[in-house]
Amino acid sequence: QVQLQESGPGLVKPSGTVSLTCAVSGDSISSSNWWTWVRQPPGKGLEWIGEISHSGITNYNPSLKSRVNISVDKSKNQFSLKLSSVTAADTAVYYCARRPGYGLSPIEDWGQGTLVTVSS
Amino acid sequence: DIQMTQSPSSLSASVGDRVTVTCRASQGVNYFLAWYQQKPGKVPKLLIYAASTLESGVPSRFSGSGSGTDFTLTINTLQPEDVATYYCQKYNSAPFTFGGGTKVEIK
Repeated sequence: QVQLQESGPGLVKPSGTVSLTCAVSGDSISSSNWWTWVRQPPGKGLEWIGEISHSGITNYNPSLKSRVNISVDKSKNQFSLKLSSVTAADTAVYYCARRPGYGLSPIEDWGQGTLVTVSS
Repeated sequence: DIQMTQSPSSLSASVGDRVTVTCRASQGVNYFLAWYQQKPGKVPKLLIYAASTLESGVPSRFSGSGSGTDFTLTINTLQPEDVATYYCQKYNSAPFTFGGGTKVEIK
């Protein structure tokens, strides 16, 4: 069973950058998976942010693409999210997740989520 | 990009009722449609994938159907532990958009 754990600052100033890391255990970050970020504003629905494959291929939500970067650190078995130029609208619980890389697959494993608040 | 629209946004039903949630895609997604359950304060959990395949361990009172643009999640014999928000998600191609969610409550 893959386990995922998000970490990062819980408070970010407007115009700053959300930087989160997801530590992966129970599987190698180099295995055939898509490593995904999803967010959920308080009291609202889920929004898919983007994903990265074991080989570094990325897919991003077009509405966030200009501000998002997802990367992998194989040495630490983790992947990261950077979301720049944030506003209060980016306040959300951020989840990291795993989508199997065989064929087309849905998200199977989720981290516990971490709340990021954008405020001065 | 393909938009995913769920209806209703919320519903209230009695224990033992049959509940139906619909999800409509603005363009066809074949059968690459998943349903997730998110209980209050919890992490989303995969219920159904490939439109109608139950994830291991999910009670058989849950079922899914549909293909192309129109999909349905059915809960037969609603139980108190089914109180949650249910989301559909397309995964035929990026972006893997979620529906807006349907909140299911007990009357």
